[in-house]
Amino acid sequence: QKEVEQNSGPLSVPEGAIASLNCTYSDRGSQSFFWYRQYSGKSPELIMFIYSNGDKEDGRFTAQLNKASQYVSLLIRDSQPSDSATYLCAVVSGGSYIPTFGRGTSLIVHP
Amino acid sequence: KAGVTQTPRYLIKTRGQQVTLSCSPISGHRSVSWYQQTPGQGLQFLFEYFSETQRNKGNFPGRFSGRQFSNSRSEMNVSTLELGDSALYLCASSLVLGTRLNEQFFGPGTRLTVL
Repeated sequence: QKEVEQNSGPLSVPEGAIASLNCTYSDRGSQSFFWYRQYSGKSPELIMFIYSNGDKEDGRFTAQLNKASQYVSLLIRDSQPSDSATYLCAVVSGGSYIPTFGRGTSLIVHP
Repeated sequence: KAGVTQTPRYLIKTRGQQVTLSCSPISGHRSVSWYQQTPGQGLQFLFEYFSETQRNKGNFPGRFSGRQFSNSRSEMNVSTLELGDSALYLCASSLVLGTRLNEQFFGPGTRLTVL
């Protein structure tokens, strides 16, 4: 069974700090990796995707992928209270191309 | 471009009833997936449709079914509702599932409460 693990949190960081969210996955054949943000009572919103080892930056967000160690992380620089949400990691393997989601990490950015 | 729409947004049903939920994907998107989200289980995949065909199915009982129409709109049906079916049901569309670029875009969801 393909598994995606995330620390449920909450991860609490002060405003302006770097928030680091981690995700590990079990299937070595995984090809695509996604980060979604979900505000309370809302649906998930895609914020980043990464396919290759290394870093990918988009504004304040950086996704990092290490396939050898089977983890993917999301860094949020200059964290804002509006970043407070649950962050879901999703991993897609070959074959079915259906994402497997982690349970999510709750992030709280306090002023 | 309009996003994914789902109707209704909220539903209250009683045990034993059935329910039909509707999803209209982003224009041009041909793949529609359905998910169930609960606090205990997280986001779980129900099924995925592409060109009116169910291509993938998650580990849910046969009470959960779906279909897709020629215009890519999709419906899911849950028969003989149980209390445990109370959840947020999310529809996600993507341009083409089965390629590397399969970013999914979620609709607002339908909140189903079974009493």
